[in-house]
Amino acid sequence: AQSVTQLDSHVSVSEGTPVLLRCNYSSSYSPSLFWYVQHPNKGLQLLLKYTSAATLVKGINGFEAEFKKSETSFHLTKPSAHMSDAAEYFCVVSGTGGFKTIFGAGTRLFVKA
Amino acid sequence: GAVVSQHPSRVICKSGTSVKIECRSLDFQATTMFWYRQFPKQSLMLMATSNEGSKATYEQGVEKDKFLINHASLTLSTLTVTSAHPEDSSFYICSVLAGASSYEQYFGPGTRLTVT
Repeated sequence: AQSVTQLDSHVSVSEGTPVLLRCNYSSSYSPSLFWYVQHPNKGLQLLLKYTSAATLVKGINGFEAEFKKSETSFHLTKPSAHMSDAAEYFCVVSGTGGFKTIFGAGTRLFVKA
Repeated sequence: GAVVSQHPSRVICKSGTSVKIECRSLDFQATTMFWYRQFPKQSLMLMATSNEGSKATYEQGVEKDKFLINHASLTLSTLTVTSAHPEDSSFYICSVLAGASSYEQYFGPGTRLTVT
């Protein structure tokens, strides 16, 4: 069985400071892991994905995530937050069960000026 | 990635009526599409998996007779909410599976359904 837990329902940072959004997963198989961003009333945009290649994955807009099998984690980071980063972020696991995808509950990122 | 569109982007309908939402893959032949619903301030919940030319696979708790899914071509899947009720008001999002060996999905912009 697969599951994904986003450890923070919301995160607040100041502009220019680092961002850390935490995600833990559970999977019986080697999972594919994704981070998506959703701006209000918009669809989802892929930030980055891990598919069993390099464990440090770089994505768009300066985001990156590191796959740590020993910790079953896939945390999303960015060195310096920008006001435009304020949005909802979803950690997603997939890989078994006929491509079934499981979404985390989401983390709302607030960026203060 | 593929471009996925949804139509309409917003729809308001009266209780008891039916409404159809279209999901189109504009530049990609999509064998598999997914339909999700998202309540305010909540995550996406998978409703069903739509495979071209065959019946959709519904998730547990989703009424297949209420949420009719048709995937008649490689570029179009439709979701029809029949006899809509206010509790069906939600944000409906479709996605396209990127490929036969990929778990990545390309998402549409979503459709906001309000049932009055």
